[in-house]
Amino acid sequence: DVKVTQSSRYLVKRTGEKVFLECVQDMDHENMFWYRQDPGLGLRLIYFSYDVKMKEKGDIPEGYSVSREKKERFSLILESASTNQTSMYLCASRPTGKGSYNEQFFGPGTRLTVL
Amino acid sequence: GQQLNQSPQSMFIQEGEDVSMNCTSSSIFNTWLWYKQDPGEGPVLLIALYKAGELTSNGRLTAQFGITRKDSFLNISASIPSDVGIYFCAGPPNFGNEKLTFGTGTRLTIIP
Repeated sequence: DVKVTQSSRYLVKRTGEKVFLECVQDMDHENMFWYRQDPGLGLRLIYFSYDVKMKEKGDIPEGYSVSREKKERFSLILESASTNQTSMYLCASRPTGKGSYNEQFFGPGTRLTVL
Repeated sequence: GQQLNQSPQSMFIQEGEDVSMNCTSSSIFNTWLWYKQDPGEGPVLLIALYKAGELTSNGRLTAQFGITRKDSFLNISASIPSDVGIYFCAGPPNFGNEKLTFGTGTRLTIIP
């Protein structure tokens, strides 16, 4: 079974702090994604990566950066957290190629609160 | 970025009732996916649709790929308590694109 794990289920930070959210997948997937989930807005893509050290902006990259130094790990960074970044953050991964076309496997999510 | 519009936004039903929800887009999709998110968990894929007009079932769930390619429907028959959660439609906005666009979600609650 594919397993995607996220470093924390719940996180509380203060405005201005630097925040790291970690995601690890164990299935050697090339592609990894970070989303935020807000009520009534669904899932919105922040950044994704299709290979080590490669990244592309999603729909809402402002205020975020990412790092992918190893294939299995994709980190989301909030350089200076703000209250409007309070949200549920979901990481996902998927392989490239046939068999699971566009199926993304999700982690359990990190609920971040910025005070 | 583009979003998919789901309807209804929330549903309150009694156990045993059938459920219908839909997803619409202003542009054509070549693949439609339906995900379910249980409370406190990440979304899990339920059904994938690859061809216009396709009707696919997974147990009590049935999904259809609209003929116009701009919509999709999900039906759940004889709902049970474990059906509670948020249902999302999703699809790649461009053919072959690795990204997915997700719908706004339909929250299903079962009234005891």
